[in-house]
Amino acid sequence: EPEVTQTPSHQVTQMGQEVILRCVPISNHLYFYWYRQILGQKVEFLVSFYNNEISEKSEIFDDQFSVERPDGSNFTLKIRSTKLEDSAMYFCASRGISYGYTFGSGTRLTVV
Amino acid sequence: SQQGEEDPQALSIQEGENATMNCSYKTSINNLQWYRQNSGRGLVHLILIRSNEREKHSGRLRVTLDTSKKSSSLLITASRAADTASYFCATDWSGGGADGLTFGKGTHLIIQP
Repeated sequence: EPEVTQTPSHQVTQMGQEVILRCVPISNHLYFYWYRQILGQKVEFLVSFYNNEISEKSEIFDDQFSVERPDGSNFTLKIRSTKLEDSAMYFCASRGISYGYTFGSGTRLTVV
Repeated sequence: SQQGEEDPQALSIQEGENATMNCSYKTSINNLQWYRQNSGRGLVHLILIRSNEREKHSGRLRVTLDTSKKSSSLLITASRAADTASYFCATDWSGGGADGLTFGKGTHLIIQP
């Protein structure tokens, strides 16, 4: 069964550093998403991406965040200057024409 | 904004019993989805019910949707130890657009062997 692949599974970074989280969505999917889950809290929507541009973004997705689909297969989330409160599990998801989403296993980001 | 809220927050039952989890939301939806998350792992899509459907089955899962009460329930029959996980409802109001899902806080289900 097709999967959404995320790398790395765990990343530790110093506060103020830039991080790039990587995702390979399912190849024939059209919609791509990033969500995050702070430990013990809800899964929160960050951003959606369709037709090579951002479609929607939440209040969380401020200027520190950016997304790219540089080569037609990878989908990346960049955090320019990490803060302690960015520590969370980040999930990538993709969706085709149906409504069900396929999520990756997540990247656990720890900012120290 | 959309908001799914599950109850109970935690549920512990014996293996073989049925587990029922509820979800409430606040605004109109196109569909509602249930996801499962094992500790520290990703989200697995379980089942989707559209706003014009009232009940849906998938294996040991049964989902109901009451749009007049803005609520849904997930029933797992004949529970197994492997069903231990957190279960989340997520609402999709845009119906196929690029907007994301709104998740609830989840129900942590423990199946005692």
